[in-house]
This record gives sequence, structure tokens and C-alpha cells, in this order.
Amino acid sequence: ETGVTQTPRHLVMGMTNKKSLKCEQHLGHNAMYWYKQSAKKPLELMFVYNFKEQTENNSVPSRFSPECPNSSHLFLHLHTLQPEDSALYLCASSQDERTTDTQYFGPGTRLTVL
Amino acid sequence: AQSVTQPDIHITVSEGASLELRCNYSYGATPYLFWYVQSPGQGLQLLLKYFSGDTLVQGIKGFEAEFKRSQSSFNLRKPSVHWSDAAEYFCAVGGYQKVTFGTGTKLQVIP
Repeated sequence: ETGVTQTPRHLVMGMTNKKSLKCEQHLGHNAMYWYKQSAKKPLELMFVYNFKEQTENNSVPSRFSPECPNSSHLFLHLHTLQPEDSALYLCASSQDERTTDTQYFGPGTRLTVL
Repeated sequence: AQSVTQPDIHITVSEGASLELRCNYSYGATPYLFWYVQSPGQGLQLLLKYFSGDTLVQGIKGFEAEFKRSQSSFNLRKPSVHWSDAAEYFCAVGGYQKVTFGTGTKLQVIP
């Protein structure tokens, strides 16, 4: 499989559940990103990893916990979420973390928190 | 702080008509500028980008954009729209380390 893949594509969870989102890139990139996309709001950068090290945490609540075991895989662990966390969560990767590097996006996970 | 404004939330054009999507940015130095497209159920795909040089940038799928420093704009254009261009379009501005996205413009194409 090529590009950036995300699983699951849809997720419904209660506020007390624990779930994880998975992202995998097959592009040989070194940087990976998590974004939150909500209706009528700009894309919000959540986390950045470069060579498996977290380089940015954009003031994200601790109920979101990222994990990057290697340069090809990125997880977002979710626990005790709120209804306002319902959104499309996008993963992206790029060669490195420079702004000039094109980011390649996965199709996203549509998350609904009940 | 850098920011992007896409003033049109929704645009409808007829198939075969020309298209212009507006983007205005705020950034203290020479910006890096991007246009992305998001089709339903898909992630964002880069259409084109501007870093320096020729202010008219050609992208994929027949799109182009022009950087106008005096107007702080980077508008996206296409001379003849196809039904498959129906999607949401995002403008983004970047500095050395960070990219900021706009709220998007949803394009509807009618026969």
C-alpha cells in the first residue's frame, strides 16, 4: 500500500472509553503530524514528530496522547474525551520538518464522542 | 503571528466556467504559500506551492496561483472547471517552521 493510511476511518466512542488512532506512512519520510479538522475552523496542528522525537505539542489537552514508535507509524491514544473533541483527525508526513517539505495527508479518522 | 483568510466559504460555478478562489495572508517576511485540495472522504492533497521566484505558479490538475506581495494575496485560478474539481480548497502560509491553514472554500460545480 502506498501513501499515508489511517485506521479506523470512523470511530464512535463514549466519554469514558479508551481508543487509539493509527497512522502509517509508506513514503520513507522522517516527520509525522497529527491535525484536528473541525467544521468552519482552520486545520489545527496538534503534534509533530521528527525522527521519532516529538518536536511540537500545540497546547493539546492531556486526554490526547501521541506515540511514535518509529518513523513509519504514529498513534493517537484517546481517553476521557469530550463531545467537543468530535472532529476529523488527519495524519500527515513529510520528508523532514521544514516548511518547504510537502506534507502528504491520510484520509483521516472521523471521530464522534457521545 | 501568521494568518490566512479565505473570504469565501462556499462558491458555485458552472462546469466549463473559470474559477478564482481568494486567499489573503498575514506574515512579516516573505511567506511560503500553499494551496491544498480535499475531496470528500479524502485527506488534503497539495495543488501547488510558492517559495520564491516567478510569482505565477503552476500546479497539478490545471490550477495556477499568483503571489501578489502588494495585496498580500495568493489567489487560485483555473480557466475551465471540471465536475471533478468539486472539493474543498485550503490556502496555507508558512514561515520557517510552521504552516497555518485557512478555513477553506467549498467549491460546487453545476452542469
